[in-house]
Amino acid sequence: IVLTQSPGTLSLSPGKEATLSCRTSQSLSSSFLAWYQQKPGQAPRLLIYAASSRATGIPDRFSGSGSGTDFTLTISRLEPEDFAVYYCQQYGGSPPCTFGQGTKVEIK
Amino acid sequence: HVQLQQSGPGLVKPSQTLSLTCAISGDSVSSNSAAWNWIRQSPSRGLEWLGRTYYRSKWSHDYAVSMYSRITITADSSKNQFSLQVNSVTPEDAAVYYCVRATGYGSGWYDYWGPGTLVTVSS
Repeated sequence: IVLTQSPGTLSLSPGKEATLSCRTSQSLSSSFLAWYQQKPGQAPRLLIYAASSRATGIPDRFSGSGSGTDFTLTISRLEPEDFAVYYCQQYGGSPPCTFGQGTKVEIK
Repeated sequence: HVQLQQSGPGLVKPSQTLSLTCAISGDSVSSNSAAWNWIRQSPSRGLEWLGRTYYRSKWSHDYAVSMYSRITITADSSKNQFSLQVNSVTPEDAAVYYCVRATGYGSGWYDYWGPGTLVTVSS
């Protein structure tokens, strides 16, 4: 399954809303989709699993939605620490899981 | 709180074997609800799942097709750790390697990551 993220780069000011897209080449059953945040020099951090469930400790300004082949990560009000690269990942019943190529959210 | 601590050399010569170990604290490598994965990241290939091991009454493992002939992932319950070996490395194997816990249904989502080991392939 191929995951395509858009846009490649999103330039926004703090306080604005960010909308990130992830499209899959096949429909995902049971919404087997997760979102991760990665900052330079760090490992990815789980934000969202099962398309819309926030991981432990993730602020509620992060939300996930979607089903089938179209999924969205929304950051409602960008904080300075939210500028990073975001990846979607599908984890269907059998491996391999696959990741998207990432969306970079940068300060405008 | 789960922590994963990686160890192993950051420099490997071409054609030799890459070996990394991931020590687990706060969970058990024999857990019936987790799988223990290796994922690597490079600018050219992005995030790439390599393989996993897990225990469900017996040990099982799965490997990426692209790596199948060169990769081995093993678990050591006595030390609560798991390991990765990649044989016959080439410069294309240069990447940051992460050990990662997966939990949940399907193949699982990756909730805990090691800090990463930068592996360089050079003579």
